[in-house]
Amino acid sequence: KAGVTQTPRYLIKTRGQQVTLSCSPISGHRSVSWYQQTPGQGLQFLFEYFSETQRNKGNFPGRFSGRQFSNSRSEMNVSTLELGDSALYLCASSLRLAGGPRGNEQFFGPGTRLTVL
Amino acid sequence: AQSVAQPEDQVNVAEGNPLTVKCTYSVSGNPYLFWYVQYPNRGLQFLLKYITGDNLVKGSYGFEAEFNKSQTSFHLKKPSALVSDSALYFCAVRDGGYGGATNKLIFGTGTLLAVQP
Repeated sequence: KAGVTQTPRYLIKTRGQQVTLSCSPISGHRSVSWYQQTPGQGLQFLFEYFSETQRNKGNFPGRFSGRQFSNSRSEMNVSTLELGDSALYLCASSLRLAGGPRGNEQFFGPGTRLTVL
Repeated sequence: AQSVAQPEDQVNVAEGNPLTVKCTYSVSGNPYLFWYVQYPNRGLQFLLKYITGDNLVKGSYGFEAEFNKSQTSFHLKKPSALVSDSALYFCAVRDGGYGGATNKLIFGTGTLLAVQP
């Protein structure tokens, strides 16, 4: 099976612009989560989608939004970019939403490196 | 609130020697713990998970982790380190624990493992 794919891999934007990042989960996976990774804050949860519905949201401003499509692909959007939004944005997919005895690990994509100038 | 701590920013070990990367956790209820590894300019790769059962969990690439409930620890170990093991290692706990309906992960700050030849 192909892994999680993210496009684009690298992106350079200027302050005030907006950006859309895309994530295609592993085939059959219905849960997609997004994380932001920065040297200062580490790995932080952005949001989680399952069956086209946002199930959980991290502590980020409303400029960060996302959605999931019927084929489980997901996009995240950041409007009015700030310098502090420069980060590696990671998408992760998993089979189910819940845990339980079988476990439900997440598989991560390679990330999109966003640089805001 | 769930949290994990990785007390060491960096661990140095000689090739062929055993390695340990430390992680302690703080959760309410039963923990659901993970180890991931990140190579430069790559996403996170799943190594292993603890759900329930045996305290010694075996994972990918010869890694294993020991769950210790009394010490609230989940240390990553490998009997014989390789230079290619040099990478950034993250411990994580699933928010909501074993039965929660979210895949959100809370990550530690990461430990850089440097294996010298």
